[in-house]
Amino acid sequence: ETGVTQTPRHLVMGMTNKKSLKCEQHLGHNAMYWYKQSAKKPLELMFVYSLEERVENNSVPSRFSPECPNSSHLFLHLHTLQPEDSALYLCASSQDGTGGYEQYFGPGTRLTVT
Amino acid sequence: GENVEQHPSTLSVQEGDSAVIKCTYSDSASNYFPWYKQELGKRPQLIIDIRSNVGEKKDQRIAVTLNKTAKHFSLHITETQPEDSAVYFCAASVGPALIFGKGTTLSVSS
Repeated sequence: ETGVTQTPRHLVMGMTNKKSLKCEQHLGHNAMYWYKQSAKKPLELMFVYSLEERVENNSVPSRFSPECPNSSHLFLHLHTLQPEDSALYLCASSQDGTGGYEQYFGPGTRLTVT
Repeated sequence: GENVEQHPSTLSVQEGDSAVIKCTYSDSASNYFPWYKQELGKRPQLIIDIRSNVGEKKDQRIAVTLNKTAKHFSLHITETQPEDSAVYFCAASVGPALIFGKGTTLSVSS
């Protein structure tokens, strides 16, 4: 359960704020992912990083900006969000970025945009 | 792009019955098909997966079947128990990513 950690676990922010979500994996994996989970779209892929390079950007608005400084850390920088961005943001990691391996999820950050 | 359809969206069974969840995918290049279970308030966790060179895989009460020609795969849970109650997601690989279905909420009543 501690293989992938996320902070903070809960975040409330106004539409003009800037905040960052952090994910860390302790599994020695080479690929990391951001997902958005909401009632409308239960597991929506946002970004994929393989060996610290972004390999997939699933048409996400520019108000979400990912950063992967090394293979163990992944950030999601947030600015000028909208209320519809309120959701659970899940980070995941996998052995590599081929898509053929199990993804291990973190516990998520529950984001509320007011 | 890849589209993964999952049915049914909700499923209610009595304890001891079997449950079947079905998924279809559109990208013939997909070759990895995992199933995840998400209990309320918890993270999704892998319960079983199958690769395109295999037609069926079983792990105790859980089994998955894959029909590559028809582009569909199914999850079978036998002898269901109340602790099987959760949301189940199927997924198909597309390049470096997994595309998930919309989930099935399984309720097992005792």
